[in-house]
Amino acid sequence: GQQVMQIPQYQHVQEGEDFTTYCNSSTTLSNIQWYKQRPGGHPVFLIQLVKSGEVKKQKRLTFQFGEAKKNSSLHITATQTTDVGTYFCAGLVYNFNKFYFGSGTKLNVKP
Amino acid sequence: GAGVSQSPSNKVTEKGKDVELRCDPISGHTALYWYRQRLGQGLEFLIYFQGNSAPDKSGLPSDRFSAERTGESVSTLTIQRTQQEDSAVYLCASSPDYTGELFFGEGSRLTVL
Repeated sequence: GQQVMQIPQYQHVQEGEDFTTYCNSSTTLSNIQWYKQRPGGHPVFLIQLVKSGEVKKQKRLTFQFGEAKKNSSLHITATQTTDVGTYFCAGLVYNFNKFYFGSGTKLNVKP
Repeated sequence: GAGVSQSPSNKVTEKGKDVELRCDPISGHTALYWYRQRLGQGLEFLIYFQGNSAPDKSGLPSDRFSAERTGESVSTLTIQRTQQEDSAVYLCASSPDYTGELFFGEGSRLTVL
C-alpha cells in the first residue's frame, strides 16, 4: 500500500501568497527528502531532513520534519512565478531501505 | 558526463514491439531506481537496485517489464510487447547509497502508437 501520502494534489495561488504541502507516512521514517520538478523537467533534490523536529530554511522555503518522524511539510513564503512546478516528498522507510515518493503537489502561481 | 545519462531521450514505437531503455548512473553510485511518470502524474516506482542485494521488483506492473543492472553501472529497462498504456516518461535515478540524495536523469519519453 501507499507508504507516503502527500496533500494537496494541486494548489493555485496568487503571486505573493504563501504555499504549504504536507507529507504523512503510516510508519516512522529514517529521513525525508524534498524534490522540485519544473514543467517538462526532471525532479531535482531540494533538501534532506534527518532529525526529529528538524527545521531547515532555504531563502523563502521552510522544511519541517515532525517529532514522530512520520510527517513533514514544505512552506513557501511569498510565492513567485519561479516557484511553479510539482513538489515531491520522498521518505526513507525503516527496514525497507528505499525511498517512497509522495504523489506530489502541483503548484501554479498566477502573476 | 557528471550526471545520470538516459537513452534514448525519445522513442516512438508500434504496439507489440519490444523496447529497451538505458540508464548510466553516476560513477560509484550503488543505488539505482526506475520510475514511470505518465503525463501530469506522479512518480510510479518500478524497480530498485542497491549494491549486490537482490533487486526490489515490487513495482513492475506486469511480466512484460524487466530490468537488469550490471554491477554498479549501467541498467537497462526492457518492455516487451509494448501497449499504448506504456506511453510515459521513464526516469532513472541513482544515489551514492540507500540513504542519500537521488540524482535523476532527463528521462526517456516512450510513445506507443
